[in-house]
Amino acid sequence: DAGVTQSPTHLIKTRGQHVTLRCSPISGHKSVSWYQQVLGQGPQFIFQYYEKEERGRGNFPDRFSARQFPNYSSELNVNALLLGDSALYLCASSPQEEVVDTQYFGPGTRLTVL
Amino acid sequence: GEDVEQSLFLSVREGDSSVINCTYTDSSSTYLYWYKQEPGAGLQLLTYIFSNMDMKQDQRLTVLLNKKDKHLSLRIADTQTGDSAIYFCAEPTPAGYALNFGKGTSLLVTP
Repeated sequence: DAGVTQSPTHLIKTRGQHVTLRCSPISGHKSVSWYQQVLGQGPQFIFQYYEKEERGRGNFPDRFSARQFPNYSSELNVNALLLGDSALYLCASSPQEEVVDTQYFGPGTRLTVL
Repeated sequence: GEDVEQSLFLSVREGDSSVINCTYTDSSSTYLYWYKQEPGAGLQLLTYIFSNMDMKQDQRLTVLLNKKDKHLSLRIADTQTGDSAIYFCAEPTPAGYALNFGKGTSLLVTP
C-alpha cells in the first residue's frame, strides 16, 4: 500500500508570492494534518482536517489556509510568502479524528522563499 | 506555554546502548510517541506507548514512561550507524487532534 504522498518535493518561491502544497493520505484514512518544520526545530502543527472539515488549527497567521477534498486529499495554501516561511512542510494522515493511535507522515515538501 | 523538552545531541559508539530522554507537558496524555527523522526525509514512527504502561519493548527499542515526573525515554540497544538520525518525542495536543513535538535529539553513532 502507498504511504502518504506529497507534491511537489521541492519548491522555490520569492517573497510575496503564494504557494499550494498537496497531500494524499493513506487509503482509508480520513484525517489529514499539516505541520511546518523549520530547520533545527521540531514540527509545528498548522491544521487538521477530518471529513473535509477543519478540526484544529495551530498558532499560524491567516496567510495559511487549507482544505480537504471528498477523496480526503488536502491542499495547504500560503499567501504573501515571507522568508520565514522557508521550511519543510509535512503532511500526516490517520484513520481517526483524534490522535488516539498514530499519525503517518509523508516525505514533506521543502519550500524555500527567496 | 510549556514545551516538550529533549536534549539536543547524543554521541555513542557502535554497539553501545543509546538513551534519549524527553520531558513532556501534559500528564493526561493518552499516548506518547517516538519518531525518527533521517537527513532530508520525513518522520518515521518508531514506537509509541500507552499512558497506562510503564515500559514497552520492541526488538532493540525500549520505552520507559514515568508519569509522575512526565518523563519518557527511548533506549536503543546495540546501536548501529544506521541509527544515526534525529529522534523526536511527541505528545497529543490538548484537543487531541495533533501532535506536539520536542526539538529533537540528534544521535550520532561512531564506528
